Formats: sequence, structure tokens, C-alpha cells
Amino acid sequence: DSGVTQTPKHLITATGQRVTLRCSPRSGDLSVYWYQQSLDQGLQFLIQYYNGEERAKGNILERFSAQQFPDLHSELNLSSLELGDSALYFCASSPSPGHPANYGYTFGSGTRLTVV
Amino acid sequence: DAKTTQPTSMDCAEGRAANLPCNHSTISGNEYVYWYRQIHSQGPQYIIHGLKNNETNEMASLIITEDRKSSTLILPHATLRDTAVYYCIQGTSYGKLTFGQGTILTVHP
Repeated sequence: DSGVTQTPKHLITATGQRVTLRCSPRSGDLSVYWYQQSLDQGLQFLIQYYNGEERAKGNILERFSAQQFPDLHSELNLSSLELGDSALYFCASSPSPGHPANYGYTFGSGTRLTVV
Repeated sequence: DAKTTQPTSMDCAEGRAANLPCNHSTISGNEYVYWYRQIHSQGPQYIIHGLKNNETNEMASLIITEDRKSSTLILPHATLRDTAVYYCIQGTSYGKLTFGQGTILTVHP
């Protein structure tokens, strides 16, 4: 158990639908990152939140959105799903800047999304 | 647009040391070198990171050249369970990590 919890582990849905992926960061971590990993691509950074605020954006589609709540958990919303959105979605967390951390970024075990 | 360069694949015999090289010639003064590995669709696992000095933990050792333009991850006694994709990443301690294609390490019996 890495300390980062992602739910659900698996999700199968139809094209055009909307889903929400959830991530609870490691205790004490303030930053949350979302990554997408398709079969033919590496880990693609989507978005970062720090203490409730968006900090950085990567290659995130307009159909996708995310937020981080006051309790620091984060949700990634994927809408108007297409077949190409089928992928593993990972969440990671990291401590606040300047924290004397020696464990780097911690990743969850991912949500496998299958769009049919 | 990963900023590091790694060999696509490497092999290692079980019980021997695995030395994985990485070039990060564009690394800036406030960027660390991070190493992660991913075992077949699991979440990437943190291995080690360093800024200037060599580092060692229970999993591996990290050797960083004096000019910080390259580094080597050393798994001292590789096992079959170390077969994975190994990612070398340069980044700050507060920003996103940009993953490249990594090195596929295969440990053979």
C-alpha cells in the first residue's frame, strides 16, 4: 500500500458517458498529480493541484476536468468519453515544497478505464 | 518532451549488479534526478533521488557525475522481481515529473 488511494480500480463505460475518478493523497501530502497511460504511450501528465488550487496543466483535454477538495482528495472528471480515452489513470501525491521528504512522489495503483 | 536520455532496454543476470545510465545534460541547479520504476501496469514506484551527492537507500544507489549531466542507478543484486521499466527524470521537488520512455530492464535467471 503506497498510501495513495485510487477508486475505482476498474471502470467500464460506454462512449459518450461521463465518469469520475477519485484519489486520496498520502497523509500529509498537499500536491496531487494526475497522469494518463495509454497502451501505446508513456505516462502523460494531465494536471497538478496544490492545496486546493490548480498549479500546472499538461496535455489535458477540454473534456477532462479536475479539482482538489478541502480535505485534499482529488477527483478527475472525464466526459463525452471516446474509445481513445481507454487508459490507466494514475494519481500521485507529493509533500509541500521544502518538506524534507525522502520518498519522492507517491503513486497510486491506478484506475483502469475501458470505454466500449 | 522528456529531458533525459536512457537506453531503450538492458539485460542483467540475476544476482549481478544492474547499472542503468541516464543523461540529463540540461539539468538546472534546482532540479533533482529522480528514478522510478513501473512493474507491468502497476503505479510507478519511487526508487531514489539526488541533487548533487551520491545517494544510497535500501533499494538502490544513485551515482551522479560531478557536472550533474549524467547519473547511474545501481541495483546491487538484481532479482527477477526487478524486471521493470526504469524511468530517470529531472525535476524540481514541487512540480510535475515528465516521464520519458524509460529503460526496460530484464533480469534473467
